[in-house]
Amino acid sequence: AQTVTQSQPEMSVQEAETVTLSCTYDTSESDYYLFWYKQPPSRQMILVIRQEAYKQQNATENRFSVNFQKAAKSFSLKISDSQLGDAAMYFCAYRGSGNTPLVFGKGTRLSVIA
Amino acid sequence: NAGVTQTPKFQVLKTGQSMTLQCAQDMNHEYMSWYRQDPGMGLRLIHYSVGAGITDQGEVPNGYNVSRSTTEDFPLRLLSAAPSQTSVYFCASSYISGRTSYNEQFFGPGTRLTVL
Repeated sequence: AQTVTQSQPEMSVQEAETVTLSCTYDTSESDYYLFWYKQPPSRQMILVIRQEAYKQQNATENRFSVNFQKAAKSFSLKISDSQLGDAAMYFCAYRGSGNTPLVFGKGTRLSVIA
Repeated sequence: NAGVTQTPKFQVLKTGQSMTLQCAQDMNHEYMSWYRQDPGMGLRLIHYSVGAGITDQGEVPNGYNVSRSTTEDFPLRLLSAAPSQTSVYFCASSYISGRTSYNEQFFGPGTRLTVL
């Protein structure tokens, strides 16, 4: 079974600085999808960024970018110019090909210090 | 579009009571799923469905029942509530893999359930 590991339960960053959240996963598939979700205190799950495994180019969404290392099975999230509104739980998630469920890591709580 | 809706938002039950958490989506998604979120555990899959009449178990199915009679609705039933089922429950939906890129799942706002 696929597993997703987030090794940093908590992280903090100064406002306007850059922070990187780590995620590793285990799979034997070659075709799959990776996601980062943000969960603010409202508890709504918000998709931040996504990556298809066959695409070598790292995904970017405004201040959010990923470092996708397929061979190392690593999928880290970089947040640039951190803002107070970035404070939240961040979940890394994996979804295989076919009609397979989303598998989540345990999350990283990010605090942003003014 | 309303997206994915869940009712109720909050619920308190006594041990042994039964109830149904409602989930509906208006995006014509074939795939629907239920997760529970507990502190330090991330989101764990309870049950999922790939279409009307088809359901399957996830990682933590015990104590829960589902059915899928329509594409839009995917209710989650607690048969006899236990304190261990105190959690936040999320419903999510998506297209079947291959129909759209990324297979993004859309989440409802969650239901906070407390079992006393």
